[in-house]
Amino acid sequence: TQLLEQSPQFLSIQEGENLTVYCNSSSVFSSLQWYRQEPGEGPVLLVTVVTGGEVKKLKRLTFQFGDARKDSSLHITAAQPGDTGLYLCAGEKGGSEKLVFGKGTKLTVNP
Amino acid sequence: ETGVTQSPTHLIKTRGQQVTLRCSSQSGHNTVSWYQQALGQGPQFIFQYYREEENGRGNFPPRFSGLQFPNYSSELNVNALELDDSALYLCASSTRDRDATGELFFGEGSRLTVL
Repeated sequence: TQLLEQSPQFLSIQEGENLTVYCNSSSVFSSLQWYRQEPGEGPVLLVTVVTGGEVKKLKRLTFQFGDARKDSSLHITAAQPGDTGLYLCAGEKGGSEKLVFGKGTKLTVNP
Repeated sequence: ETGVTQSPTHLIKTRGQQVTLRCSSQSGHNTVSWYQQALGQGPQFIFQYYREEENGRGNFPPRFSGLQFPNYSSELNVNALELDDSALYLCASSTRDRDATGELFFGEGSRLTVL
């Protein structure tokens, strides 16, 4: 059972376009993390959101945690080829030792 | 600050064989978590080691086992390899504090192919 559903699975856009990827669940999480993973490498943490309704910005990336702490979105403004990669969301339940990952959104930004 | 290092980076085994994967945690970290990432999937939690003891396990059979050493490095052992064990095995280290695992720092992974 995939607890975290990410959409879209694949996204190919031109440099300069905006995009949003989604991470949805029927479960409540104490926090949600977003990672980016490039081929041949491990995931790298981008942000952690903890409070329902929280919005965090990291340069051109905007992350939002849903009010009910069941879903999250990642919006990228003016995408660049360097944004290409696999974007993974991962949920943590309070006190748990594990992260539950979605399958990821594979983003390709063409120059 | 030394990051998380894993070895080997790639290896090929045949069904029924055994494999040991190694992970050196980031300096100052006391917790190691192992994840399996099959092609086209997100990472799946295998288990976590905290202060040399298993501290939680995912839905993996007993032929997946591990160790953590006094220097907090870790090994993942898989016995009786099956074709479906082919995956990228990721190690992540962190500093566990009371109930929280803390931010995970992943290594580059060990790519295992089972023929």
